[in-house]
Amino acid sequence: GPKVLQIPSHQIIDMGQMVTLNCDPVSNHLYFYWYKQILGQQMEFLVNFYNGKVMEKSKLFKDQFSVERPDGSYFTLKIQPTALEDSAVYFCASSPRDRVEQYFGPGTRLTVL
Amino acid sequence: SQLAEENSWALSVHEGESVTVNCSYKTSITALQWYRQKSGKGPAQLILIRSNEREKRNGRLRATLDTSSQSSSLSITATRCEDTAVYFCATNTGNYKYVFGAGTRLKVIA
Repeated sequence: GPKVLQIPSHQIIDMGQMVTLNCDPVSNHLYFYWYKQILGQQMEFLVNFYNGKVMEKSKLFKDQFSVERPDGSYFTLKIQPTALEDSAVYFCASSPRDRVEQYFGPGTRLTVL
Repeated sequence: SQLAEENSWALSVHEGESVTVNCSYKTSITALQWYRQKSGKGPAQLILIRSNEREKRNGRLRATLDTSSQSSSLSITATRCEDTAVYFCATNTGNYKYVFGAGTRLKVIA
C-alpha cells in the first residue's frame, strides 16, 4: 500500500534544544498530519496541514511547535525549544483529496533529556 | 473528550480461534478506520468503513458499522500469532482529523 516515510527513526536531544522531525508523505496526497503517542497511551492528534496552512490543531500543539512543507519537500514538525514532556513517538500521516483515508508513517521516537 | 473507544483493554485467544474487538463512539461520523499497531511500528490501516456502509471484509478481517448504536466491530477469524498487536478504531467526523481510541491489546497464543 501507500508508504509514508519518517526521518529519523530516533532522536535524542537535550531539553531546550530545537528539533525537526521529517515526513515524506504519499506522493499525491494533499493533507498532512502529525500525531503524538506517549508510550502505552493512545494516539493524539496534533495538527493538520493543507495547501500551506494549518487547518486544525489541538491543545497539544503548543506555541513551541510549528509545521511547514516548503516547496513540496518534507512535511516537518519543528519544536523549539523542546521540553521533557515532548518525549514521545511522533507519527506523520497523509490523506488524499477526499481526506477519508489516512496512511501513517513508522514514527520518530523523540527523547528529550 | 474521547470520541472513540474500544470496549476491551486486552484480549487473549489461542491460535486458530476467532476474536472480535468492539468500538463505540459518541458523535456522528463520516467514516471509521480500524488500525493495527505492532510494537515499535506505526498504525497499519486494516479496514476503512464509511458511514453509509454496514459491513466490509478484508481477507480474515470483517468490520461492521452500526450508526444507530454508534458502534463498530472488527472480527478476525483463524487468528495467527502475527495478529498479536494493538487494535485501534479511529473516527472521522468530517473535519480534518481522526480521533483514536485507546486500543485493545490482542495476544494470540500458539
